[in-house]
Amino acid sequence: DAMVIQNPRYQVTQFGKPVTLSCSQTLNHNVMYWYQQKSSQAPKLLFHYYDKDFNNEADTPDNFQSRRPNTSFCFLDIRSPGLGDAAMYLCATKAGQGNEKLFFGSGTQLSVL
Amino acid sequence: GNSVTQMEGPVTLSEEAFLTINCTYTATGYPSLFWYVQYPGEGLQLLLKATKADDKGSNKGFEATYRKETTSFHLEKGSVQVSDSAVYFCAATNAGGTSYGKLTFGQGTILTVHP
Repeated sequence: DAMVIQNPRYQVTQFGKPVTLSCSQTLNHNVMYWYQQKSSQAPKLLFHYYDKDFNNEADTPDNFQSRRPNTSFCFLDIRSPGLGDAAMYLCATKAGQGNEKLFFGSGTQLSVL
Repeated sequence: GNSVTQMEGPVTLSEEAFLTINCTYTATGYPSLFWYVQYPGEGLQLLLKATKADDKGSNKGFEATYRKETTSFHLEKGSVQVSDSAVYFCAATNAGGTSYGKLTFGQGTILTVHP
């Protein structure tokens, strides 16, 4: 059974039209991450939550926002998508602050037309 | 910060061939090192890890040894199968166990195994 669930699997949006990607987890993990993965590139960390404590990476554009209303759910909001934001977006969770493994969802492939 | 460099792919092998995927890292201190695998249509999943120098991680016939002297964590398997076809990512945590276990990934290596 999937433990980190991302919906939808494929998302198409228009240039400049806000879009929200969702992630839910059944693991009750404290930490949730959002990564952006462009074709043939390494996944790049956008931000993460430790419980409700939000941590933004220094080079994450302001266009990207996130919400975590409860332990189970986390959302990625792209306020005005550009063509360069087309990518796979990966959600991951982790139990605590150490070097435990991450659990990834299957990702959402975002296309911007 | 950390950086991770993997050998460029794609790698194409015949079944039962020997596999090596090179990975080197740069970091201050002693990061933990990981290999993640992504099968078609699925998310990344942990394949193996090593947390200190000379540790060997192993799983499903894959092995990697943490080599501090060469800052490497090369992935090996003695006899690959078609089912091993996937994208393989090398990754490192921030040295010193920075809170939240932030991972830095390599760019991934596509492996295709033919019957």
